[in-house]
Amino acid sequence: DSGVTQTPKHLITATGQRVTLRCSPRSGDLSVYWYQQSLDQGLQFLIQYYNGEERAKGNILERFSAQQFPDLHSELNLSSLELGDSALYFCASSVVGGIETQYFGPGTRLLVL
Amino acid sequence: AQTVTQSQPEMSVQEAETVTLSCTYDTSESNYYLFWYKQPPSRQMILVIRQEAYKQQNATENRFSVNFQKAAKSFSLKISDSQLGDTAMYFCAFMNRGGNKLVFGAGTILRVKS
Repeated sequence: DSGVTQTPKHLITATGQRVTLRCSPRSGDLSVYWYQQSLDQGLQFLIQYYNGEERAKGNILERFSAQQFPDLHSELNLSSLELGDSALYFCASSVVGGIETQYFGPGTRLLVL
Repeated sequence: AQTVTQSQPEMSVQEAETVTLSCTYDTSESNYYLFWYKQPPSRQMILVIRQEAYKQQNATENRFSVNFQKAAKSFSLKISDSQLGDTAMYFCAFMNRGGNKLVFGAGTILRVKS
């Protein structure tokens, strides 16, 4: 158990819908990262938040957004969902960022029908 | 942009034997970190080992060790005394010092046979 929690574990929804994925980092970690794992794209970095502020963006679609709250938990919002958004979404956390190891949560498996 | 290449899509090994997984990377940076993560059938991403580029000594964690060749930009993972529980997808990953993201290779599926 990495200490990073993610909810829900599984999510099934329809095209065009909007979903929210939630992540709680390890105790003491200030940075949260979101990654997407899909069959065709592999593991890709989406976005990082540090202490409530966006720190870095990767290959995140405009339909996707994220935020980190004062209690340091983070949410990833996916809207206007398409079939291709079906993937495993991971959250990871580290103390600050830049040199520490990132520890991953169990992931949320999203299926868009 | 950094890239990570794992040239072995699948490998198999007999229980108790040793196996080496290959990884090469491309970067113009001199300070960076390399990682191996394991993803078993549960899909959880588990850190196996970490190597700092400025350290010449190869990292070791119990049965897992790396062969880090900085000039060749090579970072292989050796698993000794393979166990059935080592069956998983293994990902090599790169991160710049001061960076924000892990860049992953495509992964190698390792099957340990009894």
